[in-house]
Amino acid sequence: DSGVTQTPKHLITATGQRVTLRCSPRSGDLSVYWYQQSLDQGLQFLIQYYNGEERAKGNILERFSAQQFPDLHSELNLSSLELGDSALYFCASSARQGATDTQYFGPGTRLTVL
Amino acid sequence: SQQGEEDPQALSIQEGENATMNCSYKTSINNLQWYRQNSGRGLVHLILIRSNEREKHSGRLRVTLDTSKKSSSLLITASRAADTASYFCATDSYNFNKFYFGSGTKLNVKP
Repeated sequence: DSGVTQTPKHLITATGQRVTLRCSPRSGDLSVYWYQQSLDQGLQFLIQYYNGEERAKGNILERFSAQQFPDLHSELNLSSLELGDSALYFCASSARQGATDTQYFGPGTRLTVL
Repeated sequence: SQQGEEDPQALSIQEGENATMNCSYKTSINNLQWYRQNSGRGLVHLILIRSNEREKHSGRLRVTLDTSKKSSSLLITASRAADTASYFCATDSYNFNKFYFGSGTKLNVKP
């Protein structure tokens, strides 16, 4: 158990809808990262937050947004969902914001868009 | 395109054999990390090697880094069935603090 929690585990929704994925980092970790993993693919880095502020941005679509709250949990909002958004969404956390930090991954949220 | 690419895409070996997988990347990095992912689950960090290091060991794992060739290799010695998983290399982007994962090597260790 990495100490990172993600809810929900599974989410099934329809095209055009909006969903929110939630992540709680390990106790004491200030950075949260979001990744998308499509079937049998590598992970695409979406976005990183550090202590409430956006720190780095990857290939995140404009339909997606995220935030990190004062208690350090983070939410990833996906809107106007398309079939191609079906994927595993992972959250990871690290103690600091640097590139040398080990990232601890949550179990993921499996999103299915029908 | 992605920064890190693993090779081979899939590898099948017998228990007890060594497994070697490679990772190539395109631009300068601060460090390179290897992660393991059991089917459909979260990634687990294995080892980090910094850009000024050439080799690192952790238990049955040996990682090398050749910055001149922009490549790294992960060697798992005396493999076990429990090593069956996908292995990913991850690199940072030196200037922009982004993180790139390759598409992974799927390792199958047959008992």
